[in-house]
Amino acid sequence: AQSVAQPEDQVNVAEGNPLTVKCTYSVSGNPYLFWYVQYPNRGLQFLLKYITGDNLVKGSYGFEAEFNKSQTSFHLKKPSALVSDSALYFCAVRDNRGSQGNLIFGKGTKLSVKP
Amino acid sequence: KAGVTQTPRYLIKTRGQQVTLSCSPISGHRSVSWYQQTPGQGLQFLFEYFSETQRNKGNFPGRFSGRQFSNSRSEMNVSTLELGDSALYLCASSSSTHNEQFFGPGTRLTVL
Repeated sequence: AQSVAQPEDQVNVAEGNPLTVKCTYSVSGNPYLFWYVQYPNRGLQFLLKYITGDNLVKGSYGFEAEFNKSQTSFHLKKPSALVSDSALYFCAVRDNRGSQGNLIFGKGTKLSVKP
Repeated sequence: KAGVTQTPRYLIKTRGQQVTLSCSPISGHRSVSWYQQTPGQGLQFLFEYFSETQRNKGNFPGRFSGRQFSNSRSEMNVSTLELGDSALYLCASSSSTHNEQFFGPGTRLTVL
């Protein structure tokens, strides 16, 4: 079965420090991987994706993610965290069985950045 | 381009009623997906439509249904509402199955 795991319910970081939000996946075939962010009472905002190519993917708001095939991981990173980065982050993989395009999401990780 | 819009934003219903939620995708996007978000179950896939055809369906009872119109707008319907249907319902559109999905702000449904 295809799945995504986000092992941390919450990540706490001091402003200015680097942050990492972890994600591991299990899919058959080549994975299409995504990161989304959700602010309170809002929909999901797309941050970045990995389809193919370079393992280091750069996205919006200074975020980047590293695809590691051997470890089946796609961790989200940012060199210097901002208080405004505090939000709920979701890792997702596209369900690549057949022609459908729906996403399978992890449970989400709450990021808290303190001043 | 305008983003994905969903109406209404908030809805309060009582058990046994039915509800219809609407989603207008980004112009040019033909794929529309619906998700249910709850604190306990997280984000769960409901269904996906492409060119008026349901291409995939998640593991939800038949009370949940949807459709897509020729202009790519989509509606989802929930009949015989239960307390457990209280959730944020999110609609997302994409230009193709290989591209990222763009989400609307959601409809917050409360069932009393």
